Amino acid sequence: AQTVTQSQPEMSVQEAETVTLSCTYDTSESDYYLFWYKQPPSRQMILVIRQEAYKQQNATENRFSVNFQKVAKSFSLKISDSQLGDAAMYFCAYRSAKRGADGLTFGKGTHLIIQP
Amino acid sequence: NAGVTQTPKFRVLKTGQSMTLLCAQDMNHEYMYWYRQDPGMGLRLIHYSVGEGTTAKGEVPDGYNVSRLKKQNFLLGLESAAPSQTSVYFCASRILPGTEIYEQYFGPGTRLTVT
Repeated sequence: AQTVTQSQPEMSVQEAETVTLSCTYDTSESDYYLFWYKQPPSRQMILVIRQEAYKQQNATENRFSVNFQKVAKSFSLKISDSQLGDAAMYFCAYRSAKRGADGLTFGKGTHLIIQP
Repeated sequence: NAGVTQTPKFRVLKTGQSMTLLCAQDMNHEYMYWYRQDPGMGLRLIHYSVGEGTTAKGEVPDGYNVSRLKKQNFLLGLESAAPSQTSVYFCASRILPGTEIYEQYFGPGTRLTVT
């Protein structure tokens, strides 16, 4: 079974600074997808960014980018120019590309605090 | 489009009572999922469905049953609620695999307390 580990229960960053959230995963598969979800106090799960394992290029969405290291099984999220609205729980998630082996496997999350 | 909706938003049950959570999606998605989220944990998959009339077990299926009689609805049932089932429940849906759009869309969650 796959596992996802987020080793930072909480991170704090000053507004406008850059912060990196860590995620490592364990799998024996070669084809899979990785995601970062944001969960604000409203509880809504919001997709931030996704990465296909077969793509070498790191995904980028505006101020959010990832550092995907397939050999090291690492998938970190970098948030540039942090804003107060970025404060939330962030979850790293894994999904197999195998047909039928569905559902996301989540890490325990990192609580991101933005200091004004 | 309402997206993914969940009914109810909050519920308090006594131990041994039963209830059904309803998830509905209006995006014509094939795949639907039920997750639970406990404090300090990420979401864990309970059951999922790959199409109307089909269901499959996830990581933590014990104590739950599901049904997918209509493509747009996915029901989660608790036959005899236990305090260990106190949690926030999320429903999600996804379009048919093989397309470019493969992200899961989540509902707003249902907070269930079992006393």
